[in-house]
Amino acid sequence: EAQVTQNPRYLITVTGKKLTVTCSQNMNHEYMSWYRQDPGLGLRQIYYSMNVEVTDKGDVPEGYKVSRKEKRNFPLILESPSPNQTSLYFCASSLSQASYGYTFGSGTRLTVV
Amino acid sequence: GEDVEQSLFLSVREGDSSVINCTYTDSSSTYLYWYKQEPGAGLQLLTYIFSNMDMKQDQRLTVLLNKKDKHLSLRIADTQTGDSAIYFCAEDGSSYKLIFGSGTRLLVRP
Repeated sequence: EAQVTQNPRYLITVTGKKLTVTCSQNMNHEYMSWYRQDPGLGLRQIYYSMNVEVTDKGDVPEGYKVSRKEKRNFPLILESPSPNQTSLYFCASSLSQASYGYTFGSGTRLTVV
Repeated sequence: GEDVEQSLFLSVREGDSSVINCTYTDSSSTYLYWYKQEPGAGLQLLTYIFSNMDMKQDQRLTVLLNKKDKHLSLRIADTQTGDSAIYFCAEDGSSYKLIFGSGTRLLVRP
């Protein structure tokens, strides 16, 4: 089944403790992206990647890192999480930027206390 | 700048039609999208429309695009309780991203 898989689905952590949210797609998509969803704000892009070793900042990149060492994986790294990073995170992938929409993962709900 | 706006809430009776409206600002968007988010789930692409089209129909869904007014709407015919969800309007933005509205929560009353 073609899908985008995120792990974990739920995570509670403490301020300052480094964490990684994994994202993997099995569709050989070139384009991958991370979004965060906050009430009343919709989804905002954090980082995106157009291909292996090619990443760039989205609208809200502060406090996040990403890497794209392989085509299928695009992990999101929070080096020192803070409570304002409590949010619902979505990974998405697409064959290319011009594709008809994107395939989203099921989301990761992160709480930083 | 790029911005997409939607009303926050819509309540309809089961069997009625629902119309969710959206306005956007980027006239260079190639595609406009409607996504559905059910509780605890990710975003599911419902439908999309190419920017040079006025209307697209897909079973119970009708998308209308008024490019002059930058207005997009989604009509759901014969709305069912299973249609209760949050609906997001989105457009292709610059920097290879989707610009999302804040979402419209649709509540279908029995």
